[in-house]
Amino acid sequence: DTGVSQDPRHKITKRGQNVTFRCDPISEHNRLYWYRQTLGQGPEFLTYFQNEAQLEKSRLLSDRFSAERPKGSFSTLEIQRTEQGDSAMYLCASSLAGLAVYNEQFFGPGTRLTVL
Amino acid sequence: ELKVEQNPLFLSMQEGKNYTIYCNYSTTSDRLYWYRQDPGKSLESLFVLLSNGAVKQEGRLMASLDTKARLSTLHITAAVHDLSATYFCAVDSRSTPLVFGKGTRLSVIA
Repeated sequence: DTGVSQDPRHKITKRGQNVTFRCDPISEHNRLYWYRQTLGQGPEFLTYFQNEAQLEKSRLLSDRFSAERPKGSFSTLEIQRTEQGDSAMYLCASSLAGLAVYNEQFFGPGTRLTVL
Repeated sequence: ELKVEQNPLFLSMQEGKNYTIYCNYSTTSDRLYWYRQDPGKSLESLFVLLSNGAVKQEGRLMASLDTKARLSTLHITAAVHDLSATYFCAVDSRSTPLVFGKGTRLSVIA
């Protein structure tokens, strides 16, 4: 299967701990996105990369959040000093963006974070 | 700021009936997407609409786009239980990231 994969699928942590999530995009895709989805809401954009460059960050991405895509392939999202309000599904998506290509994003299965 | 509104947010419909979900967006956009999400699962891409008047159909679902009205519709024909899910529309342009509506939670009952 060559879809977007995420790891772990579920994470339970205590408030104040740090967590890190990983996303592996579809191999030929140059863009990678992170979203957060809370219960009953649509996904909210957090940040995205084109290759290894982080091109945009939402104001939702507080300074406790950091994302990397070091070699333009997989990406990590780290949350430091987790708070209960961070509990959500974290979705990763990838796309192939270019001048003549529409930017359809394909989503991974998500990482569900629960902060106790 | 780009905003996307869907209605209704909840829809309970009988098998065999037809219904339409509406998606309005606030500013000019290049592309509109429809996604399906089953409980606890990720998002599955259904349609990508790129231009005014675009219409796409897959099975019992048909999506259309009116860029002048900033409106997209997702029409369900002769609903079946397997269509029960949450449906999201999302909009982006070359200068903004993907913005989602709150979703329409569809329940098809016998």
